[in-house]
Amino acid sequence: AQSVTQPDIHITVSEGASLELRCNYSYGATPYLFWYVQSPGQGLQLLLKYFSGDTLVQGIKGFEAEFKRSQSSFNLRKPSVHWSDAAEYFCAVGWMDSSYKLIFGSGTRLLVRP
Amino acid sequence: SAVISQKPSRDICQRGTSLTIQCQVDSQVTMMFWYRQQPGQSLTLIATANQGSEATYESGFVIDKFPISRPNLTFSTLTVSNMSPEDSSIYLCSVDLLTDQETQYFGPGTRLLVL
Repeated sequence: AQSVTQPDIHITVSEGASLELRCNYSYGATPYLFWYVQSPGQGLQLLLKYFSGDTLVQGIKGFEAEFKRSQSSFNLRKPSVHWSDAAEYFCAVGWMDSSYKLIFGSGTRLLVRP
Repeated sequence: SAVISQKPSRDICQRGTSLTIQCQVDSQVTMMFWYRQQPGQSLTLIATANQGSEATYESGFVIDKFPISRPNLTFSTLTVSNMSPEDSSIYLCSVDLLTDQETQYFGPGTRLLVL
């Protein structure tokens, strides 16, 4: 069965520190990979996506993510976190044979220390 | 991208009543979806809203409880019927744009509290 795992429920980092949020998926078919961010009381905003090509993708707000097929991972990174990055981050995966449907990870809540 | 709006943005409802949530997009879309996000949880797909035909529901969701309409390419409604406190959630619509297929963009959500 298809599944998406975000192993970290909460992460706390200091402002200015680097950040890495983990995402792993199961199922062997070619995936489409996404990261979304949800600020309190808001909907989901697309940060970045990967379909094919260069496995390092750049997104908005200074975020990037790297697809590693051998590890079934799509980790999100930012070199220097800002206080405004505090939010819930969701990894989502779609598969070519799943009619555009997405499966979401459980989310990682990012807290930023001043 | 596109502007995706949902109405209402939030509501407080009584047990046993029904609420209809609207989703409107200002661009042409191919697919429209409805999700539920229970408190402190991730998103779960309820159904795919098909234009001009019955929605396609995911396991655990039924048409009698969550009837969905999509009368045209840019508008859909989700009704939460015979509500109970367990239906208290955020309900989000998402769309695949004609110009950016296979990428879902989300509306702001409807926050529902059932007493």
